[in-house]
Amino acid sequence: GESVGLHLPTLSVQEGDNSIINCAYSNSASDYFIWYKQESGKGPQFIIDIRSNMDKRQGQRVTVLLNKTVKHLSLQIAATQPGDSAVYFCAEKGGSYIPTFGRGTSLIVHP
Amino acid sequence: DADVTQTPRNRITKTGKRIMLECSQTKGHDRMYWYRQDPGLGLRLIYYSFDVKDINKGEISDGYSVSRQAQAKFSLSLESAIPNQTALYFCATSEGYGTDTQYFGPGTRLTVL
Repeated sequence: GESVGLHLPTLSVQEGDNSIINCAYSNSASDYFIWYKQESGKGPQFIIDIRSNMDKRQGQRVTVLLNKTVKHLSLQIAATQPGDSAVYFCAEKGGSYIPTFGRGTSLIVHP
Repeated sequence: DADVTQTPRNRITKTGKRIMLECSQTKGHDRMYWYRQDPGLGLRLIYYSFDVKDINKGEISDGYSVSRQAQAKFSLSLESAIPNQTALYFCATSEGYGTDTQYFGPGTRLTVL
């Protein structure tokens, strides 16, 4: 039969605003975390990563924050642009070689 | 990422047909992966291979098989397609050391009628 997809969490922002996308992870043994961006019709693309021995890492217009106490990860995008509209996935890696992906958050940027 | 290519990009088939999805990479990576993506469900691992002689099942391998023909090629087969295999399929590669970041292909949209 036809499968019904779940609705993705959605974040709507105005162009130029800062965006914050959140992710909760479950495995306290995870020691490496990655953010991916997936534009419509494309595969996920690596944005930024962080190891568990860090709390913060900055890239170009993006910052990832890691709070191991509450097992929370966030991606901050500064001065959000229309080209940032996409689905954003967090992924975690622990003892396994294979990352576990979250469901994703859809970011919509309004001009 | 143009270094990871998938063919076909779109495929419509009927229940019971055998389907093969192909993945090629020019990144020189040893590790390759097949994922399935359904709306709102993220990426789920079907199979992965850490080198040419290595094949491992992922969390949703039932109904699928794979073949690692060479370091650069990893194909996914549906022996007898069923409608709930309608999904977006992604191939990925990783270098196998350091952070082992995965690089994804553009995806294959498969519809099983």
